[in-house]
Amino acid sequence: DAGVIQSPRHEVTEMGQEVTLRCKPISGHNSLFWYRQTMMRGLELLIYFNNNVPIDDSGMPEDRFSAKMPNASFSTLKIQPSEPRDSAVYFCASSLGSWQETQYFGPGTRLLVL
Amino acid sequence: GEDVEQSLFLSVREGDSSVINCTYTDSSSTYLYWYKQEPGAGLQLLTYIFSNMDMKQDQRLTVLLNKKDKHLSLRIADTQTGDSAIYFCAERTGGGNKLTFGTGTQLKVEL
Repeated sequence: DAGVIQSPRHEVTEMGQEVTLRCKPISGHNSLFWYRQTMMRGLELLIYFNNNVPIDDSGMPEDRFSAKMPNASFSTLKIQPSEPRDSAVYFCASSLGSWQETQYFGPGTRLLVL
Repeated sequence: GEDVEQSLFLSVREGDSSVINCTYTDSSSTYLYWYKQEPGAGLQLLTYIFSNMDMKQDQRLTVLLNKKDKHLSLRIADTQTGDSAIYFCAERTGGGNKLTFGTGTQLKVEL
């Protein structure tokens, strides 16, 4: 299996622009997680889906952030408009979904907002 | 509440054992995990332990869990330069899929 796939791997954009991050979970996994990692705040869970349905979005910073999972093999995290403080590494992870299953992480998208 | 803490840095000599510690506060934790993050990469699952166990060994890795003190440790025997990375502990609580991660411990292995 190719593992969790994220694109792009790197993104540089200007403040105010829309940013879309993409994730393809491991085939057969039905839970998907979006995390943000920064030096200051460490690894934070933004949102997670189970069977394509958002279960917990309490970690989403503000309305500028939105996430969708239109089907079992694809999810997006969108930031509109982006701000310099959104600069971070964004990870997607997936798991089989049952409570004892572990999460497998993608390589991350490194976002820099100028 | 959920709070997972780790020391930020650990430096060891190649060939020595490394012990990375983690404390958590949620007594309802079911599974506890250790992940490794190499520079520029995502998190890689190393090992995990169920909360009713107190020890798990996997090759060079030994996980110790003291549930009474809410303390988890990861021992790496015969530490190699390739073990240099950031190590995160994480806890899964209740019946959900949500993990709470620690701050990460940066392990530096010196020759």
